[in-house]
Amino acid sequence: GPKVLQIPSHQIIDMGQMVTLNCDPVSNHLYFYWYKQILGQQMEFLVNFYNGKVMEKSKLFKDQFSVERPDGSYFTLKIQPTALEDSAVYFCASSQGNSDYTFGSGTRLLVI
Amino acid sequence: QQQVRQSPQSLTVWEGGTTVLTCSYEDSTFNYFPWYQQFPGEGPALLISILSVSDKKEDGRFTTFFNKREKKLSLHIIDSQPGDSATYFCAARASSGSWQLIFGSGTQLTVMP
Repeated sequence: GPKVLQIPSHQIIDMGQMVTLNCDPVSNHLYFYWYKQILGQQMEFLVNFYNGKVMEKSKLFKDQFSVERPDGSYFTLKIQPTALEDSAVYFCASSQGNSDYTFGSGTRLLVI
Repeated sequence: QQQVRQSPQSLTVWEGGTTVLTCSYEDSTFNYFPWYQQFPGEGPALLISILSVSDKKEDGRFTTFFNKREKKLSLHIIDSQPGDSATYFCAARASSGSWQLIFGSGTQLTVMP
């Protein structure tokens, strides 16, 4: 079936540096999401994005986080500056509407 | 009130047996309940989903049951196979305009050959 691609699959970064996680959503999907998963625990919602705007965000979506999808290219999650507690797997997802999500395989971020 | 509770945390069944996973919730505005299957190192993949207007949905060996009165749902896997060994998450979404899925804590299923 259609896939959500995430780049990179792994990222190691020094604390305080900036990191950008990239997501290529399913082509006809209009709604985009980021979720965070720590060490096999439950997925936690960060943010959803539609029509160029953040529609909803959780308390985990700190001020250091930002999302955008410039000119219909990658949907990105930027963390600046990174902190040790940002180490997790970040999953991107997309959906056509208020329906089933398709998740990517995740970016494993390690902040050292 | 936004929590989704899932049990058991882990489960081992023999090949050919029936697996039953359960979830419960409190928020009565939840109306969409997907189940996801996640293999190590991969993202969660949608297995089956149900809306609150239904009480049962079946897809091959996988059936999800929904009890609105008790605010419970379950996933049944018949003829469980070693390839079903994975972590299973239930999730819920409200009808009130929120787009976020609230996930359960997951059940790690091992199917022994």
